[in-house]
Amino acid sequence: EDKVVQSPLSLVVHEGDTVTLNCSYEVTNFRSLLWYKQEKKAPTFLFMLTSSGIEKKSGRLSSILDKKELFSILNITATQTGDSAVYLCAVEETSGSRLTFGEGTQLTVNP
Amino acid sequence: DAGVTQSPTHLIKTRGQQVTLRCSPKSGHDTVSWYQQALGQGPQFIFQYYEEEERQRGNFPDRFSGHQFPNYSSELNVNALLLGDSALYLCASSLKRVRTGELFFGEGSRLTVL
Repeated sequence: EDKVVQSPLSLVVHEGDTVTLNCSYEVTNFRSLLWYKQEKKAPTFLFMLTSSGIEKKSGRLSSILDKKELFSILNITATQTGDSAVYLCAVEETSGSRLTFGEGTQLTVNP
Repeated sequence: DAGVTQSPTHLIKTRGQQVTLRCSPKSGHDTVSWYQQALGQGPQFIFQYYEEEERQRGNFPDRFSGHQFPNYSSELNVNALLLGDSALYLCASSLKRVRTGELFFGEGSRLTVL
């Protein structure tokens, strides 16, 4: 059975801090790993990673995948209160767009 | 460009009842997937519809069924509701030919079973 494990499950930081969120996975037919941000209800897409060692970057957020060690990290630099959310990691199988999600990391950024 | 829309946003049912949730995909999308998200958990895949057929199914009992209409909209039906069915039900749409895991999610339907 496919499995995605995220750590930490919750994290509280101050504005300006840098955070690293972790995601490890076990999946039979790996196609891609995705990160989503969920502030209230609808998860919104952040990154999709398919190749090892290639960093994806968007503003203060960046992510990288290690397919040998089966994990990914999501970095957020100079955190802001608007970064407070649940960050979800998911893996996609080669069979299609079915996603297996981890439990998520609840990030709280205090002013 | 309308995103994914779901209805109703909130509903309360009692055990044993039946519920129907509705989803309209993002304009131009042809594939709809449904996820169940319990409080404090990540979303769990229920099933996916494409060309009006169920294409993939997660580990959910037959009480969970669905339908896709010719206009690509979809319904999720849950029969014989249990307390454990209380959750946020998320609909996500995508375009099959693009073959990407990037899904567009709706705001969800919050179901409470008493």
